[in-house]
Amino acid sequence: NAGVTQTPKFQVLKTGQSMTLQCAQDMNHEYMSWYRQDPGMGLRLIHYSVGAGITDQGEVPNGYNVSRSTTEDFPLRLLSAAPSQTSVYFCASSSPGGSSTDTQYFGPGTRLTVL
Amino acid sequence: GEDVEQSLFLSVREGDSSVINCTYTDSSSTYLYWYKQEPGAGLQLLTYIFSNMDMKQDQRLTVLLNKKDKHLSLRIADTQTGDSAIYFCAEKPSYGKLTFGQGTILTVHP
Repeated sequence: NAGVTQTPKFQVLKTGQSMTLQCAQDMNHEYMSWYRQDPGMGLRLIHYSVGAGITDQGEVPNGYNVSRSTTEDFPLRLLSAAPSQTSVYFCASSSPGGSSTDTQYFGPGTRLTVL
Repeated sequence: GEDVEQSLFLSVREGDSSVINCTYTDSSSTYLYWYKQEPGAGLQLLTYIFSNMDMKQDQRLTVLLNKKDKHLSLRIADTQTGDSAIYFCAEKPSYGKLTFGQGTILTVHP
């Protein structure tokens, strides 16, 4: 198993550009989520999905869109990048609530800089 | 809403014990986790504890849970330089979302 994979590892954008951060998992997990990590603020939930075709907003959804057309993939789109979106982005997946550990598995992260 | 608090920094000498503390507010928390993040990497699950447990030991790691005070701690025995990392506490109700603390930067000096 590759686990949770994210591409790209690094990205630099200009203000106003759009891009998609890719996330894929091969563990057949139903629950997937996107977090952003900023210094001194821990991880904040952007969007999450409890299964294919179902998405919902997290704590900081503004400026981001997601879709979940398959169980494996959960891309995060920035429609018009802003400097405030400079951050490290993590994708995570887990099996649904009720499993013995219900732990989330994290990808390696995408470091995004918006100029 | 849910809130998880951690101190931001901890510095210890190699061979000493490290104790990282965490407080949370959600009394419906069912699962409490400790994650480790090494520089430039994602989060790695270290250990977890169910809310009906007081203590869990896993090799050099000991997790203590005081449910009355909503206080969680992670003790690392015989701390090594390889333990230098950011440690995140996280809590989760049974069918809710994971909430993370800000992370504690552990620095181990030789």
